[in-house]
Amino acid sequence: GQQVMQIPQYQHVQEGEDFTTYCNSSTTLSNIQWYKQRPGGHPVFLIQLVKSGEVKKQKRLTFQFGEAKKNSSLHITATQTTDVGTYFCAGLAITTSGTYKYIFGTGTRLKVLA
Amino acid sequence: DSGVTQTPKHLITATGQRVTLRCSPRSGDLSVYWYQQSLDQGLQFLIHYYNGEERAKGNILERFSAQQFPDLHSELNLSSLELGDSALYFCASSVTASGSGGELFFGEGSRLTVL
Repeated sequence: GQQVMQIPQYQHVQEGEDFTTYCNSSTTLSNIQWYKQRPGGHPVFLIQLVKSGEVKKQKRLTFQFGEAKKNSSLHITATQTTDVGTYFCAGLAITTSGTYKYIFGTGTRLKVLA
Repeated sequence: DSGVTQTPKHLITATGQRVTLRCSPRSGDLSVYWYQQSLDQGLQFLIHYYNGEERAKGNILERFSAQQFPDLHSELNLSSLELGDSALYFCASSVTASGSGGELFFGEGSRLTVL
């Protein structure tokens, strides 16, 4: 079936270091979204990428959508303790019945050491 | 506050029982999605409704069913509960039918514990 994998599963960084999580889909995606889930919280939308090769920035966060629309990455520059949480990508894929569904990646849990 | 309301927040029940989880989407949102998140796991897509109609199904067990009512709130029914059904169940809503994308707004979740 359709799957979206993320690596790494866990990442511990020192505050101030950079962090990157990668998302890979087994199928071509219509778009990809990124969400952040703080410990004990619910996923919160960060951004949506639609176009092949698209790059978007939000302050210290940089999001990329691959040329083939099957992979994406999130890069955080100079991490802060407030960046702690699990980052999920969510790919919008078309099903065999012609409908669409969001497939969430396995998530990358980020811990930032002060 | 995302505007999505889920009840109950916590539920403890026994194996073999049946429970109903309720979700009220954001005002104006026609889509409701249900996701299951087991301990330290990702979000498993269960089902999507748009304006009362089922739009897409994920890995939803036959023991589970859902529906979206005319007032757009949704219920997820879980029956013949097993220990492995213990998880956090999230509801999310969106204004679109998902084919055009659109941000998902998640509720706080309903934590189900099956003993």
